[in-house]
Amino acid sequence: AAGVIQSPRHLIKEKRETATLKCYPIPRHDTVYWYQQGPGQDPQFLISFYEKMQSDKGSIPDRFSAQQFSDYHSELNMSSLELGDSALYFCASSFELQGVVTEAFFGQGTRLTVV
Amino acid sequence: DAKTTQPNSMESNEEEPVHLPCNHSTISGTDYIHWYRQLPSQGPEYVIHGLTSNVNNRMASLAIAEDRKSSTLILHRATLRDAAVYYCILRLYNNNDMRFGAGTRLTVKP
Repeated sequence: AAGVIQSPRHLIKEKRETATLKCYPIPRHDTVYWYQQGPGQDPQFLISFYEKMQSDKGSIPDRFSAQQFSDYHSELNMSSLELGDSALYFCASSFELQGVVTEAFFGQGTRLTVV
Repeated sequence: DAKTTQPNSMESNEEEPVHLPCNHSTISGTDYIHWYRQLPSQGPEYVIHGLTSNVNNRMASLAIAEDRKSSTLILHRATLRDAAVYYCILRLYNNNDMRFGAGTRLTVKP
């Protein structure tokens, strides 16, 4: 079965550079979530989208932005990268069934290293 | 936001049942109780969810207290592959704000 696809799997950037992470949800899933997980930490919710509109916002820095496109894939754009942005970034997708959100399926993550 | 409280860590022996507790005393009537787990070096994985009644699936069982202020994830026979961090999350039925708190790190001993 198709799963959530994230690209790239690994990314190395220098301080002050920009990075773009991509997420391809499971087909027919209309909701995408983004998470940041630092070393030894729990996943932190950044932002979510439903039907191409921002749905909920978590602890996403102002330097980051995200959007969901017409084909439901999503991109997380990160600018002015800092060393502290080094983390695993997970994307997840789900769909609504009769107005109720269902379980979320997670991708394998993108490991971002800022040097 | 409704919060959850879980023990930091638990240990189990292989092939024995494991009961992972979660307290959510401020749960609202429309919050679903979701459980996810994260195996080492992997993304979180859905385990089970419920609203009021106990739930069973191929992975686990979820026992929900009558007042819904606590729940317990039950792994009927722990295996070494069940070693993971387990997260109890409350989700409003139509809300896409799914936040992980501090989960329980389960260690399974052979």
